[in-house]
Amino acid sequence: AQKVTQAQTEISVVEKEDVTLDCVYETRDTTYYLFWYKQPPSGELVFLIRRNSFDEQNEISGRYSWNFQKSTSSFNFTITASQVVDSAVYFCALSEGGANSKLTFGKGITLSVRP
Amino acid sequence: ETGVTQTPRHLVMGMTNKKSLKCEQHLGHNAMYWYKQSAKKPLELMFVYSLEERVENNSVPSRFSPECPNSSHLFLHLHTLQPEDSALYLCASSQDRLHPANTGELFFGEGSRLTVL
Repeated sequence: AQKVTQAQTEISVVEKEDVTLDCVYETRDTTYYLFWYKQPPSGELVFLIRRNSFDEQNEISGRYSWNFQKSTSSFNFTITASQVVDSAVYFCALSEGGANSKLTFGKGITLSVRP
Repeated sequence: ETGVTQTPRHLVMGMTNKKSLKCEQHLGHNAMYWYKQSAKKPLELMFVYSLEERVENNSVPSRFSPECPNSSHLFLHLHTLQPEDSALYLCASSQDRLHPANTGELFFGEGSRLTVL
């Protein structure tokens, strides 16, 4: 069975601080996909990134970066120089590689960035 | 128009009422989903429709009844709900049913906030 754990529930930082959101996953499959979604106060989840299990290369997109480590089953998300607009709930999710795969979400991390 | 539109945004209903949530996607996608988001819990997948056919029902009580009349519209009919059903109900769509061959990206609506009194 697949599982996603986001141990942090709420994080509060001051603008311009760096912040890392942790994600640990469990799966028995060798092929799987990891995702991060952002849910701003308006409610809709917004896709941020997808990573497959065979690609451990870290990715950077502007102020966002992701660190995928299969050895520790982690897929952490770092926001550099945080801004107030980054305030949201962030979800990590996992999809296994089978034909009937489904997306399993973690409980989410509420990030508050104060001016 | 946004890609996935949900109405109403807010709904308050009594336990004996019958109401419906509506979702419409303008992205030409073939798969649509209902998720339930309760406080402090992971998103729960309720139903999956692929090409208007229900392909997944995750042990959802019969007081929730989905309907997908075409690939652009998805409804969630509600009747005799319980207070614990109060939650944010999110609709999502994807190009095809979530499958490793595709991007796996879901497009979400803003949700319908349901309160059951």
